[in-house]
Amino acid sequence: DTGVSQNPRHKITKRGQNVTFRCDPISEHNRLYWYRQTLGQGPEFLTYFQNEAQLEKSRLLSDRFSAERPKGSFSTLEIQRTEQGDSAMYLCASSTGQGTYEQYFGPGTRLTVT
Amino acid sequence: AQSVTQLDSQVPVFEEAPVELRCNYSSSVSVYLFWYVQYPNQGLQLLLKYLSGSTLVKGINGFEAEFNKSQTSFHLRKPSVHISDTAEYFCAVSRPGNTPLVFGKGTRLSVIA
Repeated sequence: DTGVSQNPRHKITKRGQNVTFRCDPISEHNRLYWYRQTLGQGPEFLTYFQNEAQLEKSRLLSDRFSAERPKGSFSTLEIQRTEQGDSAMYLCASSTGQGTYEQYFGPGTRLTVT
Repeated sequence: AQSVTQLDSQVPVFEEAPVELRCNYSSSVSVYLFWYVQYPNQGLQLLLKYLSGSTLVKGINGFEAEFNKSQTSFHLRKPSVHISDTAEYFCAVSRPGNTPLVFGKGTRLSVIA
């Protein structure tokens, strides 16, 4: 197991620009989750997938956010027209979808919107 | 909907002393309960989980937690802490199954030499 990987690790962008983050889950994990963590807070759920299917989206997820997992392996999270309030750590996690119910987290992508 | 309250935002404790980090949850359905740890500049790591069965669960690094359904609590304990336990600790709940986690705001544990 190489663990969950996320790229880039850091992203600085100007307000109004679009950004895309990538998450590579542990192989054979069919569930993939996205969370957002701001300073001093716990992670907040954004959306999750079972294979290619997006199962649920949080009401926190505005229309500027979109996520996909086209082949049931890696996933991308895109934020359009970024705002300063989007500055946060974006975390990805994966799980097997059965049995242990443990989610394995990646190191996160830190987004700074200037 | 589920929610989690971590009652202490910061807990300072001397090395080799015991510690308890408190967690209360709210849910209208049965839940799974988790404690995660986040070391500086690292990702979240699972410490322990309660799914069903024995209410006392043991995790990694000498931590344990007790599920109390009547009090809707899942407090984390360690009998003797080390400097290396300094980290942020998050309590989380989920609906049964591999469903999204709802996290508390975290408790920063600082172990003092």
